[in-house]
Amino acid sequence: ETGVTQTPRHLVMGMTNKKSLKCEQHLGHNAMYWYKQSAKKPLELMFVYNFKEQTENNSVPSRFSPECPNSSHLFLHLHTLQPEDSALYLCASSQEEGFMYTGELFFGEGSRLTVL
Amino acid sequence: TQLLEQSPQFLSIQEGENLTVYCNSSSVFSSLQWYRQEPGEGPVLLVTVVTGGEVKKLKRLTFQFGDARKDSSLHITAAQPGDTGLYLCAGHYDNAGGTSYGKLTFGQGTILTVHP
Repeated sequence: ETGVTQTPRHLVMGMTNKKSLKCEQHLGHNAMYWYKQSAKKPLELMFVYNFKEQTENNSVPSRFSPECPNSSHLFLHLHTLQPEDSALYLCASSQEEGFMYTGELFFGEGSRLTVL
Repeated sequence: TQLLEQSPQFLSIQEGENLTVYCNSSSVFSSLQWYRQEPGEGPVLLVTVVTGGEVKKLKRLTFQFGDARKDSSLHITAAQPGDTGLYLCAGHYDNAGGTSYGKLTFGQGTILTVHP
């Protein structure tokens, strides 16, 4: 079982649909992240949750809505997206602070989103 | 805003050749990481460098952090087809709270293809 699991791996949706991406981490980490990866662009940090509290919202449009019900699960709710939102959405986790701090991000395999 | 520029963006070489990938910034980073991402997978950490001038070796891979902690390089000796992938550098910068919660600034990546 991989440390960070994302579902679905692939998603095609219309601009009026509502869908959600799910992420689960099995590493006991206290921080989780959503990143957006587009072709020829650097990885863009979208949201950060630390101890289930959102600590970062990197000027992300409101059509992306994160939810973190506990320290192991992270969702990204999608609503009325645009074609330019098509990208690979990566979830990551890390252990921040304390003796386990390594500064390492553990990524899931990503959810490939296509908006028609 | 911290920016990381990676070069080259694309690299296509024959098995056995040597190569170097560069990562440059105008900002000072507290640490810098290199990740490797294979198709259909999320990025995986290769190394973290912290001290200016630091050199780390991982089998045929040599990583160097610039003296001023603004740049880094990745050198691969005798490249093999298994080295094919996207190589990402990512800089860790301090926030006012003293912890960065994984706030990495990523370069746009170098796509390496090693032909048999």
